[in-house]
Amino acid sequence: GNSVTQMEGPVTLSEEAFLTINCTYTATGYPSLFWYVQYPGEGLQLLLKATKADDKGSNKGFEATYRKETTSFHLEKGSVQVSDSAVYFCALSGQGGTSYDKVIFGPGTSLSVIP
Amino acid sequence: NAGVMQNPRHLVRRRGQEARLRCSPVKGHSHVYWYRQLPEEGLKFMVYLQKENIIDESGMPKERFSAEFPKEGPSILRIQQVVRGDSAAYFCASSPPSSPQTQYFGPGTRLLVL
Repeated sequence: GNSVTQMEGPVTLSEEAFLTINCTYTATGYPSLFWYVQYPGEGLQLLLKATKADDKGSNKGFEATYRKETTSFHLEKGSVQVSDSAVYFCALSGQGGTSYDKVIFGPGTSLSVIP
Repeated sequence: NAGVMQNPRHLVRRRGQEARLRCSPVKGHSHVYWYRQLPEEGLKFMVYLQKENIIDESGMPKERFSAEFPKEGPSILRIQQVVRGDSAAYFCASSPPSSPQTQYFGPGTRLLVL
């Protein structure tokens, strides 16, 4: 079945450091890929998404590229801020288009950015 | 525009009581999903509903848990005879018909069973 694997946390970085959170997936067909962020005490917010191979999702300085050949969707940011401290979830769903399939989440990676 | 609303935000129940969690989707969204997040874990899918229909309940425990999404009003996740292991954060998400895989999450209900 479909699954998502993320690098284990917690990850601790100094402000302005470069961030990479690895994500790989197993899926049949051509799923859509997502990164969600969860700030303390809050729900998940969609950070970015990509719906087909070689697409790059980007938002708030974060980027991730859908790599079908390596089945990966690594999250990157060039310069992190303290306000980026949160838990980041990689996720996938379905076959694309409008056909339904449940969203499968990775276990999450906790990021702490220190001043 | 209001996002997904959930209430209550925090709920405390004693073992054996019932818990009712409510979710109002984004206006115009006809798809609702419920997820459970246990401490230090990711989200696990529970159930997917459209108005008045349960589409996929493969993640729901077979006993004590039920969900509905009536024609009028919010979606309800109901847990009967709660046990300590039900303590978790329960998140609702909704998506529009045009993009069912892009889900917008509510703030969650944190259930504590004493």
